[in-house]
Amino acid sequence: AQSVTQPDIHITVSEGASLELRCNYSYGATPYLFWYVQSPGQGLQLLLKYFSGDTLVQGIKGFEAEFKRSQSSFNLRKPSVHWSDAAEYFCAVGATAAGNKLTFGGGTRVLVKP
Amino acid sequence: NAGVTQTPKFQVLKTGQSMTLQCAQDMNHEYMSWYRQDPGMGLRLIHYSVGAGITDQGEVPNGYNVSRSTTEDFPLRLLSAAPSQTSVYFCASRIRGNTEAFFGQGTRLTVV
Repeated sequence: AQSVTQPDIHITVSEGASLELRCNYSYGATPYLFWYVQSPGQGLQLLLKYFSGDTLVQGIKGFEAEFKRSQSSFNLRKPSVHWSDAAEYFCAVGATAAGNKLTFGGGTRVLVKP
Repeated sequence: NAGVTQTPKFQVLKTGQSMTLQCAQDMNHEYMSWYRQDPGMGLRLIHYSVGAGITDQGEVPNGYNVSRSTTEDFPLRLLSAAPSQTSVYFCASRIRGNTEAFFGQGTRLTVV
């Protein structure tokens, strides 16, 4: 069965500093990978997705993620964090063999210091 | 476009009560799912549907029922609410294949 691990439950970063959120997945074939963001009291918004091709994908709000098959990772990065980036971030994996179900990681909550 | 609409946004139930969480989408998506979100556990799949008349269990289906009589609607029924079902519930939809899911705004349910 597929699974997703986000090792960091909380991350605190200063405004203007860089941010990297880790995501490791387990799946036997090529996964479909997603990053979602959830602002307080809101639903989930898609930041970016990886299906195939270029392993560095660009998303909205200045985020990017890199797929590394050898490390089973799909880490999310942003060069310079803004206060509005304070939110919870979820990595998810989808797989055709699993009935197209999405499996989510436990989430990483990002706090931004002024 | 309305996207995925969930009602109600908030609900308090007493133990043993039943209720239905509504979910409707106007994007003609084949796939619809229900998740529950609990602190530190991410989103866990309760039930999902790949089309009208077809439903299946997810990771945590016990205590919940679903049906899919139309493409647009996918209600989630709590048969006899328990405090362990206190959670935030999200409905999601997407088109066939490995595409991104679109989420509703969530229903915060408290069972006392």
